[in-house]
Amino acid sequence: AQSVTQLDSHVSVSEGTPVLLRCNYSSSYSPSLFWYVQHPNKGLQLLLKYTSAATLVKGINGFEAEFKKSETSFHLTKPSAHMSDAAEYFCVVSPSGAGSYQLTFGKGTKLSVIP
Amino acid sequence: NAGVTQTPKFQVLKTGQSMTLQCAQDMNHNSMYWYRQDPGMGLRLIYYSASEGTTDKGEVPNGYNVSRLNKREFSLRLESAAPSQTSVYFCASSGTLGAWEAFFGQGTRLTVV
Repeated sequence: AQSVTQLDSHVSVSEGTPVLLRCNYSSSYSPSLFWYVQHPNKGLQLLLKYTSAATLVKGINGFEAEFKKSETSFHLTKPSAHMSDAAEYFCVVSPSGAGSYQLTFGKGTKLSVIP
Repeated sequence: NAGVTQTPKFQVLKTGQSMTLQCAQDMNHNSMYWYRQDPGMGLRLIYYSASEGTTDKGEVPNGYNVSRLNKREFSLRLESAAPSQTSVYFCASSGTLGAWEAFFGQGTRLTVV
């Protein structure tokens, strides 16, 4: 069994300040973890993924996330928010290994960026 | 590359009507999925197909049926639409060796009145 908890449903930051979106997971297996972004009225786009290689993962648009097994966390960060970062972000967990196709989504965190 | 293509993009149905949502991918992926997205609920898996010829229920399968027509196409059918099925539906595919990320279509916004 696996689950994902996004700790904040809404985060608001000023442009140019750091972004932190928090995600905790639970998985019976060694998981793969992902962050997806969804801009208004758009489909989902992969930001970054962790698949048991380096624990610090860099993604697109300056985002990165760190896998911390001891804390079962996979928080998303960005040093400086841009207006175009305003979107909804989803943390996703998937069990690793062949045949492990099921993705479990968190409920999402809506990021607002204040000019 | 088209990626994952869903049709239609928008649809309004009356309660009790039926319809089929179409999805096709051109990435030679083995696995395909249907999700629904509701405010504050994230994405919930309706059905998935791990490979051609197989389908399995996800978290919220009631009221839906699916067909994996071939490796490219995976359709979702609502036999008798209900207002509770008003949602945004996303099709996705995955299966690139070594990475399990999914690629999503643009979504179908369905309203049942």
